[in-house]
Amino acid sequence: DIQMTQSPSTLSASVGDRVTVTCRASQSISSSLAWYQQKPGQAPNLLIYKASNLENGVPSRFSGHGSGTEFTLTITSLQPDDFATYYCQQYDTSPYTFGQGTKLDIK
Amino acid sequence: HLQLQESGPGLVKPSETLSLTCTVSRNSINNHNYYWGWIRQPPGKGLEWIGSIYYTGSTYYNPSLKSRVSISVDKSKNQFSLKLTSVTAADTAVYYCATNPGTVAGPVSHWGQGTLVSVSS
Repeated sequence: DIQMTQSPSTLSASVGDRVTVTCRASQSISSSLAWYQQKPGQAPNLLIYKASNLENGVPSRFSGHGSGTEFTLTITSLQPDDFATYYCQQYDTSPYTFGQGTKLDIK
Repeated sequence: HLQLQESGPGLVKPSETLSLTCTVSRNSINNHNYYWGWIRQPPGKGLEWIGSIYYTGSTYYNPSLKSRVSISVDKSKNQFSLKLTSVTAADTAVYYCATNPGTVAGPVSHWGQGTLVSVSS
């Protein structure tokens, strides 16, 4: 299975900050990567697909970059609604695996 | 806008079979643009893809669960279902039904709200 490793596991930031979450794949997955946001008690919500494509309705302060084995999710100018847990997922090779999550909390 | 809703028992005894159903609303399970699947999340932990099905009946399973998992489609009810046999406490999780547009190997565009299934005697 392809292992997806996110860093950091927890990230403390303030409203208005710019933050970056990193996701590394144990082997190349081309650009077959998605990012999701999950709030407590809710299902995940798709933010970005194909590493850098913003899903419809997702604010432009979210952006994704990378290919191969290293990927980043950047949120510019954090808003109160952005404090949540973020997951990456590779869909290059079955089984389609997720990172362990990065919890973004308020500093 | 496509909607998914899970239903099924919230408590299953060890060694028994977990059975869940996902009802698709505002779209047809015969829609060739979608693959339908299940993902689970143990309490406080990360996400695990269980498997997916296409309206034709083609199935795709996580090898780690393949010997215990079965996913099926009921076109007459616009539903798809999950069966997981011989459950243990390790199968306690929130189970989400979900859909990938266009390909089984794709991002999950829609999720159900999730249903917690606990395995306990």
